[in-house]
Amino acid sequence: TQLLEQSPQFLSIQEGENLTVYCNSSSVFSSLQWYRQEPGEGPVLLVTVVTGGEVKKLKRLTFQFGDARKDSSLHITAAQPGDTGLYLCAGGARWGAGNNRKLIWGLGTSLAVNP
Amino acid sequence: DVKVTQSSRYLVKRTGEKVFLECVQDMDHENMFWYRQDPGLGLRLIYFSYDVKMKEKGDIPEGYSVSREKKERFSLILESASTNQTSMYLCASRFDYNEQFFGPGTRLTVL
Repeated sequence: TQLLEQSPQFLSIQEGENLTVYCNSSSVFSSLQWYRQEPGEGPVLLVTVVTGGEVKKLKRLTFQFGDARKDSSLHITAAQPGDTGLYLCAGGARWGAGNNRKLIWGLGTSLAVNP
Repeated sequence: DVKVTQSSRYLVKRTGEKVFLECVQDMDHENMFWYRQDPGLGLRLIYFSYDVKMKEKGDIPEGYSVSREKKERFSLILESASTNQTSMYLCASRFDYNEQFFGPGTRLTVL
C-alpha cells in the first residue's frame, strides 16, 4: 500500500518566520502535487513536480521533489497570515490493470501564521 | 478559468433519506472524482469516472453510488443516508499529470 506521510501535522508560527513541511514515502511516485485548502473550501493546486531533484518556486514558496521521487518538501519564506491553511501533498500512482491513475493523499499539515 | 461547481455548500438530511450531490465541470475533462474528507482520515476516494457512463469504485464505495450521464456532470448518490456519512464531500475534475481541480465542497450532516 502506498502511503504519504506529512510532517509536521500542525504548525503555528509568527508572521515573517520561515518554515518547511515534508511529505515522505517509501514508494516512488510518477509525480507529486502540493495543494492548499482553506477552511470550508476545496483544495487548490499549487504546483506539480514530475522530475527527481526538481525545484519549483512560486513567489515565497519553494517546492522540491526528491531525487528518488519518494519525497518532497515545501519551504515558505517570510510567512504571512494569508499563507494560513491546510497543505496537502498527493502522489500520482497507477491504479488497476488499465491506464487509470489516482492520487495518493497525505493527511496534510495545518499551518497557522499569526500576525 | 477552470471551474468545478457543486450543487450545495451545506446540506442537512435525516437518516434513511436518499441524497443527491451534483458536480459540474466546465473544462471538458474526461475524469471526475468524488472524495470525502474527515478529520484525521484525510481525503478518501469514493468513486471516479473516466468517461460518460463509466465508473470505478474507489477506496470507500460502500453506501454510495454514482451517475455520469453527461461528460460535464458527475453525481454522487447516498441511497439511504446514515449518520456515519456526515462529512465534507469534494468533487474534482482531472487535468494531466494527475492534477485535479476541486469544487468548493458540500458539508453534509445526517441527523
